[in-house]
Amino acid sequence: GESVGLHLPTLSVQEGDNSIINCAYSNSASDYFIWYKQESGKGPQFIIDIRSNMDKRQGQRVTVLLNKTVKHLSLQIAATQPGDSAVYFCAEGGGSQGNLIFGKGTKLSVKP
Amino acid sequence: DTGVSQDPRHKITKRGQNVTFRCDPISEHNRLYWYRQTLGQGPEFLTYFQNEAQLEKSRLLSDRFSAERPKGSFSTLEIQRTEQGDSAMYLCASSSQGARNEQFFGPGTRLTVL
Repeated sequence: GESVGLHLPTLSVQEGDNSIINCAYSNSASDYFIWYKQESGKGPQFIIDIRSNMDKRQGQRVTVLLNKTVKHLSLQIAATQPGDSAVYFCAEGGGSQGNLIFGKGTKLSVKP
Repeated sequence: DTGVSQDPRHKITKRGQNVTFRCDPISEHNRLYWYRQTLGQGPEFLTYFQNEAQLEKSRLLSDRFSAERPKGSFSTLEIQRTEQGDSAMYLCASSSQGARNEQFFGPGTRLTVL
């Protein structure tokens, strides 16, 4: 069945270091993937997305990598800042009408 | 602020009561989604509208739940005879029709059923 999950529930990094958050998915037919950031008490905030015909996409300080062979998705955050502290979710655009299927999330903590 | 608003932000109710939540999507978005999120979990899809038509409902949406989007703009989600297991964050998202499905989420309504 369809499932999206994350390898690590928590990640702690030093301010200024790079962060890598991983995600595995099981539906090889999925063609759209999204990373969201959720701060405490707020709704998920879109970070970056990628379609299955790409293997890399870059944004401002963030890069998403997609490895379809092993069904793996990662989010790289360069020069991590305290404001990056949040829970990060990967989501799969797998529904027939575009509903998103979310994984459990990884909590990123940035140490000053 | 994504432009999606939800009201109320918090709701505390007693078991057995009915509650109704409202979502105002981004005005030009014709797609509207409801999700439920419990502590430590990712959001789970409940239902989806395209304009005023409710096109898909999750198995999570029991018969105590009903959603409407009468004019294709704002939407309401009603829960009848609330149970303690209904306690969660209820999130609304909207998107425009297209190849990408970039969904913009509102701040959510946190429901606590006592």
